[in-house]
Amino acid sequence: EIVLTQSPGTLSLSPGERATLSCRASQTVSSDYLAWYQQKPGQAPRLLIYGASSRATGIPDRFSGSGSGTDFTLTISRLEPEDFAVYYCQQYGSSPRTFGQGTKVEIK
Amino acid sequence: EVQLVQSGAEVKKPGESLKISCKGSGYTFTNFWIAWVRQTPGKGLEWMGFIYPGDSDARYSPSFQGQVTISADNSISTVYLQWNSLKASDTAMYYCARTKGAFDIWGQGTTVTASS
Repeated sequence: EIVLTQSPGTLSLSPGERATLSCRASQTVSSDYLAWYQQKPGQAPRLLIYGASSRATGIPDRFSGSGSGTDFTLTISRLEPEDFAVYYCQQYGSSPRTFGQGTKVEIK
Repeated sequence: EVQLVQSGAEVKKPGESLKISCKGSGYTFTNFWIAWVRQTPGKGLEWMGFIYPGDSDARYSPSFQGQVTISADNSISTVYLQWNSLKASDTAMYYCARTKGAFDIWGQGTTVTASS
């Protein structure tokens, strides 16, 4: 089973700042099948990024994903008020599919 | 609009059986896998398994194999998650999600509470 470790656990930033979230895998993620999700309180997760760097339909271009192999990054170039939420990475290259434990982006 | 709509919250006693549902619309239901994901404060998001409604091929995470059953009824575009005997530790939020890789469309979630 691939274990995904996200860091930091919490990121305290102000609107307009840049957010950089990390996701490290315990083994190589096959074909860079790595996704990022955003979850707000009381809501289901929403797909942001798939294939490590492709934005899902309707996702603003301030969200970008990068990385390969075992190290992946989600960058939010300029935080908007609606971006404060919890972010999860997930690998879907091997079974069982696994998620990271999440990074909370909170308002400083 | 592509959407998955889940059945409502459930409160059951440990040992009881339960079946929750996830109905797809706005797309060809038989062409996409549907996954079930459990969310708890302690363990976060956990993939339980998924099913391909086209042929009812179901795959399970080792952590959930034998604990739950995933099934589909294509005539009503619905996937189910079933327990024969709930445990208190099954108390969680359960999501269904459409997938051909990443999980692109999610249901709104079903809260299951198993308490005596």
